[in-house]
Amino acid sequence: QVQLVESGGGVVQPGTSLRLSCTASGFTFSGYAMHWVRQTPGKGLEWVAVISHDGSTKYYADCVKGRFTASRDNSMNTLYLQMNSPRAEDTAVYYCARHRGRTINIPYFDYWGQGTLVTVSS
Amino acid sequence: QSVLTQPPSVSAAPGQRVTVSCSGSSSNIGNDYVSWYQQLPGTAPKLLIYDNNKRPSGIPDRFSGSKSGTSATLGITGLQTGDEADYYCGTWDSSLSGYVFGTGTKVTVL
Repeated sequence: QVQLVESGGGVVQPGTSLRLSCTASGFTFSGYAMHWVRQTPGKGLEWVAVISHDGSTKYYADCVKGRFTASRDNSMNTLYLQMNSPRAEDTAVYYCARHRGRTINIPYFDYWGQGTLVTVSS
Repeated sequence: QSVLTQPPSVSAAPGQRVTVSCSGSSSNIGNDYVSWYQQLPGTAPKLLIYDNNKRPSGIPDRFSGSKSGTSATLGITGLQTGDEADYYCGTWDSSLSGYVFGTGTKVTVL
């Protein structure tokens, strides 16, 4: 069965860096685009980024553009989110989600991980 | 803040029907397919509806979706206590070149 497991969350100081991972199993990881979505505790969902199946195409939300970088290692079935210069407003549960849809910009998310909590605080 | 607007909450008695609206614009709902997600307390979101009105395998036909112009609607019939959750709409926004979620709606079973 499809499984997505995030890791790497924790407490990070503003202006430093943190890398999140999402390990996939149960499907051919290299055949799917993948997304990062976050949720501030008690608030709504916010899309963060998408990376194409081969890593060649990426889109980012304006609020993280230039600070966060999505990448993937298809040989390791792993998706990454490099968070540089995090801010207090980046505090959230970060989910990875599998892309479905006709193209990378016509997506929906059919499987989600359980999430990993990132707290940005000094 | 989200570009898709949903009512903060809706409620109905068990067995009744509720609808959740999602209002957008020509750059998002008016231009692309809408999906809906259910988030039970303390869990990750789950896909309910995709491509405006299609249900993934395992989602009961009590859940339905529709779209008209720049608005979409999620319908839940035969409301059950297990349906108490937050519901989010979502779609791609061509102006933002990014995916956008609705503000979320809490469904309460009275």
